[in-house]
Amino acid sequence: GIQVEQSPPDLILQEGANSTLRCNFSDSVNNLQWFHQNPWGQLINLFYIPSGTKQNGRLSATTVATERYSLLYISSSQTTDSGVYFCAVERGYGNKLVFGAGTILRVKS
Amino acid sequence: GAGVSQTPSNKVTEKGKYVELRCDPISGHTALYWYRQSLGQGPEFLIYFQGTGAADDSGLPNDRFFAVRPEGSVSTLKIQRTERGDSAVYLCASSLQGDRDPPNTGELFFGEGSRLTVL
Repeated sequence: GIQVEQSPPDLILQEGANSTLRCNFSDSVNNLQWFHQNPWGQLINLFYIPSGTKQNGRLSATTVATERYSLLYISSSQTTDSGVYFCAVERGYGNKLVFGAGTILRVKS
Repeated sequence: GAGVSQTPSNKVTEKGKYVELRCDPISGHTALYWYRQSLGQGPEFLIYFQGTGAADDSGLPNDRFFAVRPEGSVSTLKIQRTERGDSAVYLCASSLQGDRDPPNTGELFFGEGSRLTVL
């Protein structure tokens, strides 16, 4: 099956700093989503981005489907950005997603 | 409600017992999913419903696990003869069914999960 690798596995930031999280995948995909799991366990959908670039406030994401990677950018980080960021992909369209292991982000004030 | 609702939020049971977990998806979402998340890992797909029927149950680990969605809205995940290894957070999610061919279900929205502990 398709493999998803996320890097870095852990990241500690000072509040206000910027960061880039990476997701590599082993096969072509038609579905790619980024999620944030907050410290209480709630998974929040950040982006549905099988290709191209999207922005939502301080967050933006870019997927280069031909090169099989996606990037999540966090600018001016805040303590509320802490949690685990997951990339999830699917070859098809049905949301039968394969998740990466996640990047644990800690933002310190 | 506005989001995906799951009950119970926590369930502690003894090995060998039967458990039911309930999910109420976002109103209007025809696609419903169950995922399972073990500690320190990403969620893993279990089963997917399109309407009332299970479109894909390939992620169910064995025949002790079963899920239903009789009226195309609320779903129940049923686990028989629970084992300690079943302990995990069971996540329900829903999405719209798009009208393209093949249909694009778009963004997936998760509930807060049901944490199952089997003693």
